Amino acid sequence: QITLKESGPMLVKPTQTLTLTCTFSGFSLSSTGVGVGWIRQPPGKALEWLALIYWDDDKRYSPSLKNRFTITKDTSKNQVVLRMTNMDPVDTATYYCAHLRWSGKFRWFDPWGQGTLVTVSS
Amino acid sequence: DIQLTQSPSFLSASVGDRVTITCRASQGISSYLAWYQQKPGKAPKLLIYAASTLRGGVPSRFSGSGSGTEFTLTISSLQPEDFATYYCQQLNNYLFTFGPGTKVDIK
Repeated sequence: QITLKESGPMLVKPTQTLTLTCTFSGFSLSSTGVGVGWIRQPPGKALEWLALIYWDDDKRYSPSLKNRFTITKDTSKNQVVLRMTNMDPVDTATYYCAHLRWSGKFRWFDPWGQGTLVTVSS
Repeated sequence: DIQLTQSPSFLSASVGDRVTITCRASQGISSYLAWYQQKPGKAPKLLIYAASTLRGGVPSRFSGSGSGTEFTLTISSLQPEDFATYYCQQLNNYLFTFGPGTKVDIK
């Protein structure tokens, strides 16, 4: 059974850097074809894909947020870390990590972590 | 970047109704589309991938169709547990995009 759980601070101040950790079990990020993504959702708004890291350390970022984000993995700890610089109140959201599955050319996120709410406020 | 739109953004329906949600892509994405269901305060759950493949364990009243730029999610007979928000997501290239969501509410 695959599970993921996000962890990190619930409150950060504007301009600070946010570091979120996704700790997972049930799969290895060193196995071919595996990936972990980050998605966020501001209160009452839609989902927004942020970043993805693959088993081979290939990394992809949302073009609109690319310069602020860094995604890394620690295979030995079964963790993926998302680092976001220069946080702003508009970054207040629930942040999810999710397991990327794929078959052939098709890819999808399943399952997702429970999410962690991050508030940006002074 | 590929943009996704969903229609309607909100719909009110009754138990037993047939419900159809449309997702349109700004350019062709073959069948690289997934559908998710999200209930308030919960993480999204996968319903359908590859545009029409039902995830194991998802009730057969859910179905997906389409390819290219237009896709549909259909619930053949709406059940009380189906009242939720539904999102499409394109996975055509190495960049992913979600649609704005469709909220299905009780009439």
